[in-house]
Amino acid sequence: GAGVSQSPSNKVTEKGKDVELRCDPISGHTALYWYRQSLGQGLEFLIYFQGNSAPDKSGLPSDRFSAERTGGSVSTLTIQRTQQEDSAVYLCASSLELAGGPGGGEQFFGPGTRLTVL
Amino acid sequence: AQSVAQPEDQVNVAEGNPLTVKCTYSVSGNPYLFWYVQYPNRGLQFLLKYITGDNLVKGSYGFEAEFNKSQTSFHLKKPSALVSDSALYFCAVSMDSSYKLIFGSGTRLLVRP
Repeated sequence: GAGVSQSPSNKVTEKGKDVELRCDPISGHTALYWYRQSLGQGLEFLIYFQGNSAPDKSGLPSDRFSAERTGGSVSTLTIQRTQQEDSAVYLCASSLELAGGPGGGEQFFGPGTRLTVL
Repeated sequence: AQSVAQPEDQVNVAEGNPLTVKCTYSVSGNPYLFWYVQYPNRGLQFLLKYITGDNLVKGSYGFEAEFNKSQTSFHLKKPSALVSDSALYFCAVSMDSSYKLIFGSGTRLLVRP
């Protein structure tokens, strides 16, 4: 079946511009996550959506970052007034169950969007 | 607070030799442990997980991991490495009823022919 898809795969933008990154999770997965991966580094949690509940935005690095999830499916991560330090790979993941749930829900990752801010 | 440590930035092994990628964790309560692999320009792929039960967990591509509660470790192993195993490996931990998955910094595995 279809996995998690993300678009665009690559985005080059100028400092100060706004960008939108899209994530299409696996159908039926109620949980959706955004992570940021800087070059060769680990994953930094950004935001978590679960069904219709209020998202956990605790990982967003500044108020220039926002995300929404429409209809419990597609999600958009928006970065306003981009800065060079925003350059990274942005990964989206979805899961059927919590990682700490009874079955230990593994997360399924998309291929990522590589953002370069010039 | 949860945390994961992968003490080695890189592991080098020869093809055909056994490999071990180390991971230690810290969590209050029962740990839920995961290994993921990332190939170049790809997202992360799930390899295996430990929730409860047997300490030796088998996963994809011939990988296995051993949960050691006393040493708070969850090392990834494979009896015979392949060049195609060369990739970036991430250990991650969660805890009871939590959605948060805390990732280690990753270990680059290089298998030489």
